[in-house]
Amino acid sequence: DVKVTQSSRYLVKRTGEKVFLECVQDMDHENMFWYRQDPGLGLRLIYFSYDVKMKEKGDIPEGYSVSREKKERFSLILESASTNQTSMYLCASRWTVNTEAFFGQGTRLTVV
Amino acid sequence: TQLLEQSPQFLSIQEGENLTVYCNSSSVFSSLQWYRQEPGEGPVLLVTVVTGGEVKKLKRLTFQFGDARKDSSLHITAAQPGDTGLYLCAGDPANSGYALNFGKGTSLLVTP
Repeated sequence: DVKVTQSSRYLVKRTGEKVFLECVQDMDHENMFWYRQDPGLGLRLIYFSYDVKMKEKGDIPEGYSVSREKKERFSLILESASTNQTSMYLCASRWTVNTEAFFGQGTRLTVV
Repeated sequence: TQLLEQSPQFLSIQEGENLTVYCNSSSVFSSLQWYRQEPGEGPVLLVTVVTGGEVKKLKRLTFQFGDARKDSSLHITAAQPGDTGLYLCAGDPANSGYALNFGKGTSLLVTP
């Protein structure tokens, strides 16, 4: 069974902390993505990566960075967490355009 | 980012009723996809439509891609409580990268 796995389902962090969200896929996909999902705003793209060590900014990259050292792993980093980063974070991977995107189960992050 | 406008945002109906969800854009997409998301989980693909005018059926769900590849619809016949969830349309912009653009979603509640 193909799988995208996010390291945590729930996280509570304090304002100003550095936060790491990890995502691993087992499908050998080149393309991986980080979205955040907020009520009424849908899924918004933060960053994506099309190859190891390659990354591109999405629509809302401010306050975030990413790391892709290995093909199967894509990490999202909140450099200094703020309360407006409280959200559901979804990782996804896909083979290429017009193909299915496989999502992890999501990480619900609360910043207090 | 090329916007996808989804309507309605919320839909509450009784079991056995029919419904249609719309996904519209002013931009051309090489494909449109529909995903369904349960609470606390990541979205799961229902269908991909690629050809303008294409119609696909998945049991009681009918998906249509507009002739100009700018819009899509999802029609559910005789809705059941198990259809309850968040329905998301997503598109691959023509001549663009690998990241899907998502609509804001339609939250469907089907009551017995």
